Amino acid sequence: EAQVTQNPRYLITVTGKKLTVTCSQNMNHEYMSWYRQDPGLGLRQIYYSMNVEVTDKGDVPEGYKVSRKEKRNFPLILESPSPNQTSLYFCASSPTAGESYNEQFFGPGTRLTVL
Amino acid sequence: AQSVTQLDSHVSVSEGTPVLLRCNYSSSYSPSLFWYVQHPNKGLQLLLKYTSAATLVKGINGFEAEFKKSETSFHLTKPSAHMSDAAEYFCVVSDDFTSGTYKYIFGTGTRLKVLA
Repeated sequence: EAQVTQNPRYLITVTGKKLTVTCSQNMNHEYMSWYRQDPGLGLRQIYYSMNVEVTDKGDVPEGYKVSRKEKRNFPLILESPSPNQTSLYFCASSPTAGESYNEQFFGPGTRLTVL
Repeated sequence: AQSVTQLDSHVSVSEGTPVLLRCNYSSSYSPSLFWYVQHPNKGLQLLLKYTSAATLVKGINGFEAEFKKSETSFHLTKPSAHMSDAAEYFCVVSDDFTSGTYKYIFGTGTRLKVLA
């Protein structure tokens, strides 16, 4: 089944404890992206990647890191989480050609709470 | 720079009546426009997309949207609301990948309530 998977789905952590949220897609998509969703603000793009070893900042990159060492994986790293990073996070992937060009496929979301 | 404005944060309609969710956008290039739906405690599902083909776009579950360049609008409509349409809807703009910008900008969402 074509899908984007995220792990963990739920995470409660404490301020300053480094964490990684994994994202993997099995559709051979070039483009991958991370978003955070907060009430009243919609989804805001954190980082995106056009291909392996190519990443760039979205609109809210502060406090986050990403890497793209393999085409299928795009982990989100919080080196020192803070309470204002409590949010619902979505990973997405998109092809850059073909019938589904530019169409994003979303993972199920990761609900993060930072105490 | 791209931007998206969803003009209503909440919309209530009665079951069986038409739905109109409004979206205005700003883009420097030829935009791609999308509507996504998010049911409570669920992920995001694509309803429809516009990518410079026909200006009237038909999507899933009876939804459609019309791209109006002169009005910079991409409003979502459905002739007859169903209880299962109750959800949050997001309008999204993205420039064409060939433009050199690769960001997606989401609107702040419209929560649709369907009354029995």
